Amino acid sequence: EPEVTQTPSHQVTQMGQEVILRCVPISNHLYFYWYRQILGQKVEFLVSFYNNEISEKSEIFDDQFSVERPDGSNFTLKIRSTKLEDSAMYFCASSEWGTGLYGYTFGSGTRLTVV
Amino acid sequence: DQQVKQNSPSLSVQEGRISILNCDYTNSMFDYFLWYKKYPAEGPTFLISISSIKDKNEDGRFTVFLNKSAKHLSLHIVPSQPGDSAVYFCAASEGGTASKLTFGTGTRLQVTL
Repeated sequence: EPEVTQTPSHQVTQMGQEVILRCVPISNHLYFYWYRQILGQKVEFLVSFYNNEISEKSEIFDDQFSVERPDGSNFTLKIRSTKLEDSAMYFCASSEWGTGLYGYTFGSGTRLTVV
Repeated sequence: DQQVKQNSPSLSVQEGRISILNCDYTNSMFDYFLWYKKYPAEGPTFLISISSIKDKNEDGRFTVFLNKSAKHLSLHIVPSQPGDSAVYFCAASEGGTASKLTFGTGTRLQVTL
């Protein structure tokens, strides 16, 4: 079964450093998303991406965050200057249909620890 | 702003019995409702969804019921199996292009032998 692949699975970084989280969505999917889950809290939407541009972003997704689809297969999330509160599990997701009815396929996540 | 709420943080059910997981929402603009299952160290896995124009959707052992007037949905798992032990998230979407999902806080289901 096709899957969404995320790398790395764990990332430890110092506060103020830049990190790039990488995702390979399912090949025929057109809609891409990043979500995060802080330990013990719910999964929160960060950003959606379609047709090479951001469709929607949450309040969390401020100027420190950016997304890019640098080629036909990768989808990246960059955090420019990490803060302690950015420590979370980051999930990439993709979908063929963007409405939500058919579900989105999530990757296994990248655990980001900012020290 | 808790638009999607799961008031039971945990539930324990015996193998073979029915598991009922509940979810409430406040946003009338939600068009689609989904249930996801999550194991530790894995991403959420899509289980089943329902459109707001329906009140029931069934897929094998999983049935989702939607009560729009009460803004309530539930997931029934019959019969429950030990492999069903996981955290279950309710999620909702307003529809539209690249629609975001709003998640509840999750219910940890433990299916005991």
